[in-house]
Amino acid sequence: QLQLQESGPGLVKPSETLSLNCSVSGDSININNYFWGWMRQPPGKGLEWIGKIYYSGTTYYNPSLKSRVTISADMSKNQFSLRLTSVTAADTAVYYCARHKGSSGGYESWGQGARVTVSA
Amino acid sequence: DIQVTQSPSSLSASLGDRVTITCRPSQVVGTYLHWYQQRPGEAPKLLIFDASNLVSGVPSRFSGGGSGTDFTLTITSLQPEDFATYYCQQTYSVRTTFGQGTKVVLK
Repeated sequence: QLQLQESGPGLVKPSETLSLNCSVSGDSININNYFWGWMRQPPGKGLEWIGKIYYSGTTYYNPSLKSRVTISADMSKNQFSLRLTSVTAADTAVYYCARHKGSSGGYESWGQGARVTVSA
Repeated sequence: DIQVTQSPSSLSASLGDRVTITCRPSQVVGTYLHWYQQRPGEAPKLLIFDASNLVSGVPSRFSGGGSGTDFTLTITSLQPEDFATYYCQQTYSVRTTFGQGTKVVLK
């Protein structure tokens, strides 16, 4: 059974870089036709798509975050990562990693979420 | 980007009620429209994919329909575990977008 687990600091200072990992078990991230994505949800608000990576290494980003976001994958560790630079309080959110099948599939498997607060 | 408008933003209903949530993308998305349920403190859970296909294990009281720019999620005979927030998502564009959510609360 596929499981995804986010990990990383729960507190990040303004202007610094937020870094999260998503560890995947139960399947390889290095397989055709699956995309691995990141979403976030600010407190009391809805879902925002951050971006995703394909096993080939191709990445896709939300234009509103593109200048600050990097998503990468480490096949040897079977995990993928999110880096968000120059964070502000507006980046405070629960961050989720998830998987979808095919270029237009829904996200059928999600991690439990990682709460990140941006504060001095 | 494709904007996705959900309505209503919240609704109150009783156990056993039938409820319908609407999702309208700002442009045609074919059937690349999916529905999620999110309970407090939990990750979203995919209920319906490609507008009308029920995910395995999801109760049959959930159904989805529509295409183009007009979609619905219907829950027949509301159960206690159905009180949650529901989101739609379009994946017609690689830059996927979610609706703002519909919170279903107990009347």
